[in-house]
Amino acid sequence: ELKVEQNPLFLSMQEGKNYTIYCNYSTTSDRLYWYRQDPGKSLESLFVLLSNGAVKQEGRLMASLDTKARLSTLHITAAVHDLSATYFCAGRMDSSYKLIFGSGTRLLVRP
Amino acid sequence: DAEITQSPRHKITETGRQVTLACHQTWNHNNMFWYRQDLGHGLRLIHYSYGVQDTNKGEVSDGYSVSRSNTEDLPLTLESAASSQTSVYFCASSGGTSLNNEQFFGPGTRLTVL
Repeated sequence: ELKVEQNPLFLSMQEGKNYTIYCNYSTTSDRLYWYRQDPGKSLESLFVLLSNGAVKQEGRLMASLDTKARLSTLHITAAVHDLSATYFCAGRMDSSYKLIFGSGTRLLVRP
Repeated sequence: DAEITQSPRHKITETGRQVTLACHQTWNHNNMFWYRQDLGHGLRLIHYSYGVQDTNKGEVSDGYSVSRSNTEDLPLTLESAASSQTSVYFCASSGGTSLNNEQFFGPGTRLTVL
């Protein structure tokens, strides 16, 4: 059974700093998803990583996938307040359309 | 534009009542999912469907049921609401033929059971 763990669960960082959120998963997952959720809102898809070594970037966020290490990272560059949100990663078990979500990382970017 | 909607957005009910939450998508997706979100638990899968007349239990299905009579709708029914079912409920859908298998989420329904 696939389990997905994120760390840290809470991250408070200053504007302008860099940081990385880690997503580890327990068994084979052929793709990895990152979502963003603003307080009181729904989940918005950020990245879909389809293969080992995949890297995707959007603005100050960059996601990567290492299937051998069963690890995905979400790197934040020069954080700004607008990035404050909760970030979820999710894995997919082979041959399934179900996603298994991590507990989420609540990111707070301070001025 | 294609979208996924949920209704009601907020609901307060009493213990023991039957409650149905609606989910409607216009993506023409085969796959639909219901999650609940609680502090400290992330998103947990309640039920899911891969097509008309297909329904499957997720990890927290006790006390919930779904039915899929058409492609667009997957209503979630709480047979006899309990206080432990107070939560935010999200519906999602995905296209089975899409390489990404990305799930798109509805706006959520906040349910309070008194």
